[in-house]
Amino acid sequence: EAQVTQNPRYLITVTGKKLTVTCSQNMNHEYMSWYRQDPGLGLRQIYYSMNVEVTDKGDVPEGYKVSRKEKRNFPLILESPSPNQTSLYFCASGLGQGNTEAFFGQGTRLTVV
Amino acid sequence: GENVEQHPSTLSVQEGDSAVIKCTYSDSASNYFPWYKQELGKRPQLIIDIRSNVGEKKDQRIAVTLNKTAKHFSLHITETQPEDSAVYFCAASIGYGQNFVFGPGTRLSVLP
Repeated sequence: EAQVTQNPRYLITVTGKKLTVTCSQNMNHEYMSWYRQDPGLGLRQIYYSMNVEVTDKGDVPEGYKVSRKEKRNFPLILESPSPNQTSLYFCASGLGQGNTEAFFGQGTRLTVV
Repeated sequence: GENVEQHPSTLSVQEGDSAVIKCTYSDSASNYFPWYKQELGKRPQLIIDIRSNVGEKKDQRIAVTLNKTAKHFSLHITETQPEDSAVYFCAASIGYGQNFVFGPGTRLSVLP
């Protein structure tokens, strides 16, 4: 089954404790991205990657890191999480050839206390 | 950069009525406009999209219209059903890839 898988689905952590949210897709998509969803703000792009070893900042990259060492994986790293990073996070992937459908993961609800 | 506004933020309609959600964008270079539906607790899923060389697109009960001159596009849902209740997001994109800028969303409630 074609899918984008994020882990974990839920995470509660403390301020300053490094964490990683994993994202994996099995559709051989070139393009992957991370969004955060906050009430009244919609989905805002954090980082995106157009291929292996190619990453770039989205609209809200501060406090986040990503890497793309393999085509299928695109982890999101919070080196020192803060309470304002409490949010619902979505990973997405797509063909990247022109503008095509973005396939979203199930979401990760992160709470930083 | 691109900015996408969306109205209304909430919309309640009676089952069987029509619903219209409107979005405006700021960057005239945007050329791709998808609409995503997000049911409660679920991931966003594409329901319809339109490209800048097309003025209207229809898929069964849903349609999207685009006015490039005015820089706005709209989602139309006819004969609404309870399963249409969800949050709807419009988005705009420029050029290669999927660097979407999303609107803030519209919560649609279809009342039985």
